[in-house]
Amino acid sequence: QKEVEQNSGPLSVPEGAIASLNCTYSDRGSQSFFWYRQYSGKSPELIMSIYSNGDKEDGRFTAQLNKASQYVSLLIRDSQPSDSATYLCAVTPSGTYKYIFGTGTRLKVLA
Amino acid sequence: GAVVSQHPSWVICKSGTSVKIECRSLDFQATTMFWYRQFPKQSLMLMATSNEGSKATYEQGVEKDKFLINHASLTLSTLTVTSAHPEDSSFYICSAPLAGGQNEQFFGPGTRLTVL
Repeated sequence: QKEVEQNSGPLSVPEGAIASLNCTYSDRGSQSFFWYRQYSGKSPELIMSIYSNGDKEDGRFTAQLNKASQYVSLLIRDSQPSDSATYLCAVTPSGTYKYIFGTGTRLKVLA
Repeated sequence: GAVVSQHPSWVICKSGTSVKIECRSLDFQATTMFWYRQFPKQSLMLMATSNEGSKATYEQGVEKDKFLINHASLTLSTLTVTSAHPEDSSFYICSAPLAGGQNEQFFGPGTRLTVL
């Protein structure tokens, strides 16, 4: 059973702080990794994609991938109340283009 | 990013009736689309992969005769929930990957189905 795991939270951080979200996956051959943000009652919105080991930065967001340890993380700098949402980690295991989603981490940014 | 639309955004129906949900890629062609279902406070669960011009492939445990999928063109896939029951009430979301991209999926806004 290929799995993707996230801490469900809620993760509470004060406004302006760094929020750190983590995700682990079981299929060592996984190739593509994605972070989505989902507001309550809405569909997921793509934030970041990452395919190779290391860091990838886009504005206030940084994705980090470590294939040897089978984890991917998302850092949100200068967190804002509008960042409060559920963050979903998605992984495409080896041999498929389908996503496996984690359960999501609920982030609360306190004003 | 690419735009995917869904219609309707919400629907309420009586038990035993059928409901059709449309998913369209607005500014790109999608030979493949995915259908997900999301129950409250749970993550997205893939139901099936819709393939243009061929049969859909269903995930384990999803009844293909209950959830009919048709992908008749490169921009449209439909999901029909047949003989809907209250336990089918859920948030149904479609997605499509951009051809030539690296598997990023773009999601439609979702359809909230309530079966009375």
